[in-house]
Formats: sequence, C-alpha cells, structure tokens
Amino acid sequence: GDSVTQMEGPVTLSEEAFLTINCTYTATGYPSLFWYVQYPGEGLQLLLKATKADDKGSNKGFEATYRKETTSFHLEKGSVQVSDSAVYFCALSPDAGNMLTFGGGTRLMVKP
Amino acid sequence: GAGVSQSPRYKVAKRGQDVALRCDPISGHVSLFWYQQALGQGPEFLTYFQNEAQLDKSGLPSDRFFAERPEGSVSTLKIQRTQQEDSAVYLCASTPTGGGGAGTGELFFGEGSRLTVL
Repeated sequence: GDSVTQMEGPVTLSEEAFLTINCTYTATGYPSLFWYVQYPGEGLQLLLKATKADDKGSNKGFEATYRKETTSFHLEKGSVQVSDSAVYFCALSPDAGNMLTFGGGTRLMVKP
Repeated sequence: GAGVSQSPRYKVAKRGQDVALRCDPISGHVSLFWYQQALGQGPEFLTYFQNEAQLDKSGLPSDRFFAERPEGSVSTLKIQRTQQEDSAVYLCASTPTGGGGAGTGELFFGEGSRLTVL
C-alpha cells in the first residue's frame, strides 16, 4: 500500500540556518503530495502542496518540489525562525482527493 | 470559534471502560475523518464519512471501535472495553468536499482528544 517515510527528528537548528526535511513516498499512480505542520498546542494545518511531477509548493518561505524520479518531496526553508519550531508531517493522497496517508512526523526546534 | 472542535480534550479511562469522543466539524463541511495518532507517530486513518454515510472504515483496528455521524454534522467515535494499546490522540478533520478525487487535500483538523488507558 501507499506509504510515506520522513527523516527522524528532532532537528535542532539555530535561527537563520537552512532547513531540509527529507520525505520519500511509495504509491501507485500519481499521488498529490502535502506538508502539514503542527505548532505547539494547535491542530495540524496544511503548509503546502503539489499535485503533479515537477510542481513546487510554497508558503511562508517553505518550499518543496515534487520529484517523481526520486519519489521525493523534501521540505526546505532558507532561513528558519524560532516561530518555525513545530512538528512537520509529509503526506500523500492517491487521487488528488482528501484521503491522506501521513509520514511519522519530524520535530523541528529552532534556537535563538 | 469556526474551527473543528473536539471533546473531551483529555480522557483517562480504566482498562475495560467504554469511552466516547465527540467531533464538531466546521459548519457545512461534507467530509469528516477520524485519525489515530500514537505518541511520536504520524496520524493513521481510522474512518471517513461523507455526510451521514460512513464510506470507509477500513482503518478501525477492531470491532471495539465504532463511529457514527447520524445527521451529517457532529460525529462520535466510541471505543468499547478500552485497552492500553488504545492510548493515543484521536484527531478529527473535516473538509468541504468529498474524499474521492474531488477534493484539494486540505483537511481542517481539531486539536485532538488525548486518551490514556490505565
């Protein structure tokens, strides 16, 4: 079945450092790919998405590019802030719908 | 507020007790999902409703788990004869569209109900 694998955390960075969180997936067909974020004390919320190969999703300075050849959707940000400290989840939907399969999550801690 | 509301936020149950977890989705949202999130893990799908119809319950781990959405809005997840392995955060999410290819992938999540079974 479909699955998503993320790098294990926690990832600890200093403010203004470059961030990469790796995500790879296994799915049949052409899934849509997502990054969700969970800030402390809040529910999960959509950060960005990409629906076809080579699409780049972006939001709040975060970017991720849908790479079909490597089945990857790595999350990047050029300069992290303390406020980016959260748990990040990579997810896929097999049919551009709302049925999501999530990865295990990666906790990011940004120190001032 | 206008978001997804879940109650109770925290529930402690003795092994063998029955529990009921409530979800109030965003008004007018067609689809409602329940996920189970074990400590340090990602959310795992339990079940999905489109209006009052339960279209997918393939993720329910046993027949002790039961979900309903009788009027197509509020949903209840019931767990009978709780076991320690049921300890987790139960997440509810809703979305304005259907789940089968007609959506955007943006689910609106509640903050979850944390269940601890002693």
